[in-house]
Amino acid sequence: QQPVQSPQAVILREGEDAVINCSSSKALYSVHWYRQKHGEAPIFLMILLKGGEQKGHDKISASFNEKKQQSSLYLTASQLSYSGTYFCGTEKGDYKLSFGAGTTVTVRA
Amino acid sequence: GAGVSQSPSNKVTEKGKDVELRCDPISGHTALYWYRQRLGQGLEFLIYFQGNSAPDKSGLPSDRFSAERTGESVSTLTIQRTQQEDSAVYLCASSLPQRTDTQYFGPGTRLTVL
Repeated sequence: QQPVQSPQAVILREGEDAVINCSSSKALYSVHWYRQKHGEAPIFLMILLKGGEQKGHDKISASFNEKKQQSSLYLTASQLSYSGTYFCGTEKGDYKLSFGAGTTVTVRA
Repeated sequence: GAGVSQSPSNKVTEKGKDVELRCDPISGHTALYWYRQRLGQGLEFLIYFQGNSAPDKSGLPSDRFSAERTGESVSTLTIQRTQQEDSAVYLCASSLPQRTDTQYFGPGTRLTVL
């Protein structure tokens, strides 16, 4: 089942912060975050696993609440390059990712 | 090193024709995934290959869709008797076998069914 992402879209000025949320109705083993720019392939940002392990870029932070089956991605001091559509992918332990519909982030100068 | 490559990058076909899409994963990546992305939407899982295990085909939307993979290399996704609703970008991703391993995506094949 597809996770639910919110908000659908956000507009920021450079330097502002934003939070993107991802929630699932199913028990999760891991949450993966990707960013996709228009016409390009998604690129990996971060993996968060049940139990607290994380792998990802040092400039990106995220959290995973296992009890609530929710994850949040934090965009801090946003830059123009942060613009794009952010997808969360959730995994229930079967190695398959179900992706949310995406959150479009626009960062303006 | 080389990333995931897909061909063709664009494919326009007529309704009812068969199409074949190709994915070359990163060398050494035993896991390979196909996804479909309709315009303005998220990624929809289609099929998952892991080494020599039987593929997980649970995401294929109909029996018109099939995929094969030769060992741990090239994969082809075949759509028979294409319909207009098949129009989408088809993305392939590969990864090492652990669930904590990153999926690396190819550039996709944009399929347009007229």
